[in-house]
Amino acid sequence: NAGVTQTPKFRVLKTGQSMTLLCAQDMNHEYMYWYRQDPGMGLRLIHYSVGEGTTAKGEVPDGYNVSRLKKQNFLLGLESAAPSQTSVYFCATLYRGLAGDAGYEQYFGPGTRLTVT
Amino acid sequence: AQTVTQSQPEMSVQEAETVTLSCTYDTSESDYYLFWYKQPPSRQMILVIRQEAYKQQNATENRFSVNFQKAAKSFSLKISDSQLGDAAMYFCAYRTVNSGYALNFGKGTSLLVTP
Repeated sequence: NAGVTQTPKFRVLKTGQSMTLLCAQDMNHEYMYWYRQDPGMGLRLIHYSVGEGTTAKGEVPDGYNVSRLKKQNFLLGLESAAPSQTSVYFCATLYRGLAGDAGYEQYFGPGTRLTVT
Repeated sequence: AQTVTQSQPEMSVQEAETVTLSCTYDTSESDYYLFWYKQPPSRQMILVIRQEAYKQQNATENRFSVNFQKAAKSFSLKISDSQLGDAAMYFCAYRTVNSGYALNFGKGTSLLVTP
């Protein structure tokens, strides 16, 4: 049981290049999220998904696209990377426990450090 | 806008002492949950404690407890008997049903634990 994994762990891009970050989970969780964390800031929501085939925008969606073609995977794409997208990216999933909403706990991946030069 | 404010960028505590990290939040929702997360240098986000807004009783988890003041929209974290392993960034967050139960985070407090 790997939990939430993120690929890659580190990446350096040049301005204008594209890439895709992969988040994979083996816990059968419905909800998945992409956050970014900048120095001196908490995590901010980029996009999220409430189930296979659905996605929605979060607080800072500009410059990113996402897809959830399979329940276990949530992909975050950067079509044309910019230095402002240098950040640590976290994926998370939501577990809807048996205790009603009180059981909703987010499980975080280890993060991907992306640098855009 | 819905926000979370952590007014202490850095805090320091001696081992075995008690420290309190402050957090205020602003939401128009009546149904929400509050959380404290710990982020050590490994970057892993670790849930420390959670509080349901409809519960008046403050949550506790071993050495960690909260002081939840709903009217003041305040949610502080108390760490008792501090240990060297408690050194980390601590983030306050809340969650409503909006945005698919996503979390709204504060900017964090860096906790240093000295021997």
